[in-house]
This record gives sequence, C-alpha cells and structure tokens, in this order.
Amino acid sequence: KQEVTQIPAALSVPEGENLVLNCSFTDSAIYNLQWFRQDPGKGLTSLLLIQSSQREQTSGRLNASLDKSSGRSTLYIAASQPGDSATYLCAVKEETSGSRLTFGEGTQLTVNP
Amino acid sequence: EPEVTQTPSHQVTQMGQEVILRCVPISNHLYFYWYRQILGQKVEFLVSFYNNEISEKSEIFDDQFSVERPDGSNFTLKIRSTKLEDSAMYFCASSSRARQVWGNSQPQHFGDGTRLSIL
Repeated sequence: KQEVTQIPAALSVPEGENLVLNCSFTDSAIYNLQWFRQDPGKGLTSLLLIQSSQREQTSGRLNASLDKSSGRSTLYIAASQPGDSATYLCAVKEETSGSRLTFGEGTQLTVNP
Repeated sequence: EPEVTQTPSHQVTQMGQEVILRCVPISNHLYFYWYRQILGQKVEFLVSFYNNEISEKSEIFDDQFSVERPDGSNFTLKIRSTKLEDSAMYFCASSSRARQVWGNSQPQHFGDGTRLSIL
C-alpha cells in the first residue's frame, strides 16, 4: 500500500529565506506527483504537477523536483514571503490505482515578516 | 480562472439523516472525484467518476455513499444514514481528459470543500 510522508511537519522561517519541503513515497510506480497549497479552512490549490518522466517543474518562485526511483520529491520556495504561509501537501497518482491521489500529511509553513 | 464550486460550505446534520453534498466541476472537465479530510488527518480518496459511472472507489466508500451526475453541470455525493465518524471536510475535484492515450495525468483541481458536522 502506498504511503506518502512529508518532512518536516511544521516549519517557521523569516521572510526572504529560501526553503525546501520534502515528500517521500514508498511505491515508485507512479504516474505523477502533485503539490498543493491549503490555506486554513480552505480547499486545495494545485501548485505544480510533475509527470513520472520529468525531473522537475517550475512556476514562479516554486520549483519541484522528482526522483522517482528513490521515491522522493522536493518543493523549493525561493525568497519566501508571509503570503506563502499555508500547509503544503504532496500527493501521488499510482500506476496501479488509476485515478486516486494518495496524500501526505502536509508541512505547515509559517513565514514571519 | 475556472474553478470547482461546492455547496453548502457548512452542513450540520443529525446522526442517521441523509445528506447531499453538491459540486459544480470545471465545465470542460470529464473526470470527477470526492475526497474527505477528517480534522487533523490526511486527505483521503473516496471515489472517482467518469463517463457516468464510478471508475474507482476506496474502502471508505461503502453502501452508505453514492454519487450522481444528475445533469450536465452538477456532481453530488449522498450519504444515506450519517454517522458521527462521517464528520469531515469533503472536497470535490475534477480533471480534464489527458492528451496522451495512456492514463490520466492531468492535475486535479479542488473546490473549497463542505464542512460536514454530524451531531
């Protein structure tokens, strides 16, 4: 059964710092990996999707990498801002399951002004 | 930018009552999903729906749950006889058809959720 783990569970940084969030998954047979942002009491906003054949994706100050064989992904946030404060979730879509996403528990990020 | 909309934002229901959660997916999307998140826990997959039928469901999605696309725009989740443990945030999501023949590798887009509280 696929297990997705995110480290750290919580992170507090000063504004302007570059940071890395980690996601690991136990079964490397995945179609893709998706990073989301969740604000308190809100839904999930899709940030980046990396296909299994890709190594990284970039969107603005965000860069996500994928090492499928080792079961790892990282989300790099450059020049963090207080507005980046949220919970960041990663989720994988497995080759065998078809359509479901399996989520990690998230990293709660606080960027202090 | 088009988005998934869910109603109501908060639903309070007595245990044993039926509840229907409603979703309007993004208009050109063909794949629809329900997930739930119990407070403090991971987001969990419930069911996916394509071409007017369930394509995959989890062990959570038992006979008490059903989904329907009653018209061209709405997608609903019904819980027949609610239990206390059904209290959670329920998220609807949708995705478009993949250009590739294999799999469905388009991103899933989520609504803001319905907070369901069972008393």
